[in-house]
Amino acid sequence: GAVVSQHPSRVICKSGTSVKIECRSLDFQATTMFWYRQFPKQSLMLMATSNEGSKATYEQGVEKDKFLINHASLTLSTLTVTSAHPEDSSFYICSAYRDTIKETQYFGPGTRLLVL
Amino acid sequence: AQSVAQPEDQVNVAEGNPLTVKCTYSVSGNPYLFWYVQYPNRGLQFLLKYITGDNLVKGSYGFEAEFNKSQTSFHLKKPSALVSDSALYFCAVRDRGGSSASKIIFGSGTRLSIRP
Repeated sequence: GAVVSQHPSRVICKSGTSVKIECRSLDFQATTMFWYRQFPKQSLMLMATSNEGSKATYEQGVEKDKFLINHASLTLSTLTVTSAHPEDSSFYICSAYRDTIKETQYFGPGTRLLVL
Repeated sequence: AQSVAQPEDQVNVAEGNPLTVKCTYSVSGNPYLFWYVQYPNRGLQFLLKYITGDNLVKGSYGFEAEFNKSQTSFHLKKPSALVSDSALYFCAVRDRGGSSASKIIFGSGTRLSIRP
């Protein structure tokens, strides 16, 4: 199946710093990637849709200036949590549609962010 | 608006017994339906999907799901549970009429626990 990777898998940072999370499609091109946030024992909450070469589309209630998304190539999207605070601590997951199999999203392994 | 309901937070089954994880959906028209599984601290893994055709869909690891249009349900089933099936299961729906960038909506998740 299609492979989506995320880096780092785990990150601990101090409050006020910025953290960048990378999402890569390893064996296919992805014009669209999605970023989710998952709180403990809860479902995935869609944060934004990342479109290659254009601005991301953010879901209602998600601060675009705080969660910066860049999708500069067909295989890479990045999520930067700016001026992170403890309440930003969460599990962040990206996903992508494989161009030839548009119905199914393939998910990365997730990034655990802990802000101290 | 689209929605997905997983009425059971937790399902407990003895190993070797059949299992069912319930899912109902609400969407206009005919949706794409999915099941994903999540192991601890991992991203989601695709199990199976219903696009069209036979209402009984077979997926990975011996799982199957039955699309029931009249009951708007897409329950996940397995004839004989394994301890290794213990995980968090998500049902998801996507609007068939959307573009390839259409987002999917996840249910709240059901934790499946298989006892030896």
